[in-house]
Amino acid sequence: EVQLLESGGGLVQPGGSLRLSCAASGFTFSNYWMHWVRQVPGKGLVWVSRINRDGSSTTYADSVKGRFTISRDNAKNTVYLQMNGLRVEDTAMYFCAGFYGTTSFWGQGTLVSVAS
Amino acid sequence: QAVVTQEPSLTVSPGGTVTLTCASSTGAVTSGLYPYWFQQRPGQAPRTLLYETNNRDSWTPARFSGSLLGGKAALTLSGAQPEDEAEYYCFLSYAGTWVFGGGTKLTVL
Repeated sequence: EVQLLESGGGLVQPGGSLRLSCAASGFTFSNYWMHWVRQVPGKGLVWVSRINRDGSSTTYADSVKGRFTISRDNAKNTVYLQMNGLRVEDTAMYFCAGFYGTTSFWGQGTLVSVAS
Repeated sequence: QAVVTQEPSLTVSPGGTVTLTCASSTGAVTSGLYPYWFQQRPGQAPRTLLYETNNRDSWTPARFSGSLLGGKAALTLSGAQPEDEAEYYCFLSYAGTWVFGGGTKLTVL
């Protein structure tokens, strides 16, 4: 069964850090470009970051550039999002998604809350 | 960063046809922006409807189609079903960075 399972969300104070993980199973993870996408409950989807197949190329939304780092470990079939300098406005559900040609998979999300 | 604009809401009758559009603040939407379309139902994760303008995912019903229309990306639903009521998002690539549209809430009524 194909699955993307996010973890690592939780409550953190402003200025704090979290590392999200997204574990893949049931497909050839190393073929897929991986993205992180976030969504404030009741609001729209916002793209956060993406990484290419071997991890050599990464891009970020302006809102997170310099604070978030995406990485992957193809041996562990996992993509990560290291989030530093968290702000209240980073509060959202974070989804990972993988794309390869005309195939894609989405996780169910992990909730990040930034509050004092 | 570019801004991608969609209709905030649309209504279609059961069995009817509706077109959702996706515009870019940088100019015309072309195939080079690799337009994607996603569907999201309340309380669920998004899922991909169309890739690169008009290629359906394996689950996507044939009643959904994509095109480029008047400088925008377009998603056309022909023969709307009650289960098509959802939020629809377009997604464009700008040289490696990606931007979602604000979403269109489609009501089937």
